[in-house]
Amino acid sequence: SVVLTQPPSVSVAPGQTARIACGLNNSGRKIVNWYQQKPGQAPVLVVYDDIDRASGIPERFSGSNSGSTAALTISRVEAGDEADYFCQVWDSYSNLVLFGGGTKLTVL
Amino acid sequence: QVQLVESGGGVVQPGGSLRLSCAVSDSTFSSYAFNWVRQAPGKGLEWVAFIRSDGIIKYYADSVKGRFTVSRDNSKNTVYLQMDNLTPEDTAVYFCAKDGRTMAARPLYFQDWGQGTMVTASS
Repeated sequence: SVVLTQPPSVSVAPGQTARIACGLNNSGRKIVNWYQQKPGQAPVLVVYDDIDRASGIPERFSGSNSGSTAALTISRVEAGDEADYFCQVWDSYSNLVLFGGGTKLTVL
Repeated sequence: QVQLVESGGGVVQPGGSLRLSCAVSDSTFSSYAFNWVRQAPGKGLEWVAFIRSDGIIKYYADSVKGRFTVSRDNSKNTVYLQMDNLTPEDTAVYFCAKDGRTMAARPLYFQDWGQGTMVTASS
């Protein structure tokens, strides 16, 4: 079965680059979407279809997908980027939507 | 800007039922699929259910299959989640989320979200 593996936490200094990985455990080609969630708020779509930025999302946010690992990269990190980030896929074999466990981004 | 407003959450005893509603302010409501996603306290996101724009195709997470039923009323711009035989493991904030493309036949990505409604199953 498909399992999405994310590191529990990533820390980065302001102005640096953060990379949040999402392991796809040899699940075959999957399209990955990314969401940002700040405490007490609903999730917000950040990247969809692997690489497309959602409306209103700064160009500092970018997505990639090598097949075995997808990643969300945040350039020039700001304090306001501190949040939980979740990857998500659709598994057509099981007809299920799967989320990664989430990564807490801390801006030092 | 589309708005999704969930309601119907509350405290229920294990084995009880609740019906959640998601009212959507969107003139194109009938062209989009919708999903329910939940989040237990301090935990990650868990997808619960999907319903296609015409209400015919539905998908459910294994954890709720046979207990939860998703439906919609396109004349009222509202999506529902009927939850039966609730257990403490169903305790979570339940979000309604609009899918990203028109006429989607399966979940694609979750473009717009409501603020959620809390469901607590406890004795």
